[in-house]
Amino acid sequence: AQSVSQHNHHVILSEAASLELGCNYSYGGTVNLFWYVQYPGQHLQLLLKYFSGDPLVKGIKGFEAEFIKSKFSFNLRKPSVQWSDTAEYFCAVSAYSGAGSYQLTFGKGTKLSVIP
Amino acid sequence: SAVISQKPSRDICQRGTSLTIQCQVDSQVTMMFWYRQQPGQSLTLIATANQGSEATYESGFVIDKFPISRPNLTFSTLTVSNMSPEDSSIYLCSVLAGLVVEGLFFGEGSRLTVL
Repeated sequence: AQSVSQHNHHVILSEAASLELGCNYSYGGTVNLFWYVQYPGQHLQLLLKYFSGDPLVKGIKGFEAEFIKSKFSFNLRKPSVQWSDTAEYFCAVSAYSGAGSYQLTFGKGTKLSVIP
Repeated sequence: SAVISQKPSRDICQRGTSLTIQCQVDSQVTMMFWYRQQPGQSLTLIATANQGSEATYESGFVIDKFPISRPNLTFSTLTVSNMSPEDSSIYLCSVLAGLVVEGLFFGEGSRLTVL
């Protein structure tokens, strides 16, 4: 079974600061990796995903993430955060058996607070 | 993509009662799931809702406590039975609408408070 670890429970940054949220996963097979974001009072939204190919993936709102297979990591980055980035961020890994079994496992989430 | 509607969006329930949450999707989807997000916790998969057959439950979740129906490819219900305060949580419906690489789409959740 897969598992996901997010390093930080709560990150507080000033506007324009750079962001990096850590995510490590454990799974022996091929994985798809995701970052979801949950803005206050809203539902989960997909921020970006990695399936294959270029390990540096770009998502919405200027976010990007780098898949480093040797480190089992998929860290989320943004060069300059805005107050509107205040949200909770969840890293997730999916595994699909091809026999109809699909599971998306989430990390515990990192709450990001951006101070104007 | 898929648009998911959940009802109710929130409810306050008495201990010992049961509540059924509905999930309606605007298109036919291959897979539907129910997650729970307890306060301060991550999302935990309760079960995979299978169309026309019994749901597949994750470890720690049982059908008697969380009966699930999925009569067709666009609709599912989750019942939280004999509720206790520990069941206070956000319950989320999610779907796999296309390729597995697209990830899951989530409803807005149903926030349950059990007194």
